[in-house]
Amino acid sequence: DAGVIQSPRHEVTEMGQEVTLRCKPISGHDYLFWYRQTMMRGLELLIYFNNNVPIDDSGMPEDRFSAKMPNASFSTLKIQPSEPRDSAVYFCASSYSYGEGYGYTFGSGTRLTVV
Amino acid sequence: AQKVTQAQTEISVVEKEDVTLDCVYETRDTTYYLFWYKQPPSGELVFLIRRNSFDEQNEISGRYSWNFQKSTSSFNFTITASQVVDSAVYFCALSRRTYGQNFVFGPGTRLSVLP
Repeated sequence: DAGVIQSPRHEVTEMGQEVTLRCKPISGHDYLFWYRQTMMRGLELLIYFNNNVPIDDSGMPEDRFSAKMPNASFSTLKIQPSEPRDSAVYFCASSYSYGEGYGYTFGSGTRLTVV
Repeated sequence: AQKVTQAQTEISVVEKEDVTLDCVYETRDTTYYLFWYKQPPSGELVFLIRRNSFDEQNEISGRYSWNFQKSTSSFNFTITASQVVDSAVYFCALSRRTYGQNFVFGPGTRLSVLP
């Protein structure tokens, strides 16, 4: 099991540019989550999907953020246009709804810097 | 509303000392789940333990142990004979259900184990 795979690991972009973060969940997991981690706000849930359907996007900061999950093995988080305050580490996590449950399995994160 | 408090922002200990990280939670649910995650300097989030609200047995895993007390709404984490590799930020988290709705993280405790 390769775990949750996120790409890229690091992204530096200029303000105003579009940024796309990618995530491949663990095979068989039916829930996928996007989190943002900053020093000021800690870990914040942005959006989560169940069976590829967005369930709760109330944590998405504003319309500049969008997330998709076109199939069970891939999700994207897009920021357009990006702003310096979007600089953070973005984590993707997945889990499954049956069995004993192991909490979330997180990816290694994408460190985004908007200059 | 659900809330997780980790009152200790930073703790420093010398190697081989025991250390306890405190976690206090608030919830109105009768069924809930508690978690601990470790975030080492490399940045990934590592799942350590999950506990449901019906299971108040303490758990020991090697040098790690957890004390869950519903009466005080606490889920404390003890590392025995700490090692330098234990240096990390530790997060306590609370969930209404295992598969992710209302999964709330505490602010984290930064543990530094000095040689």
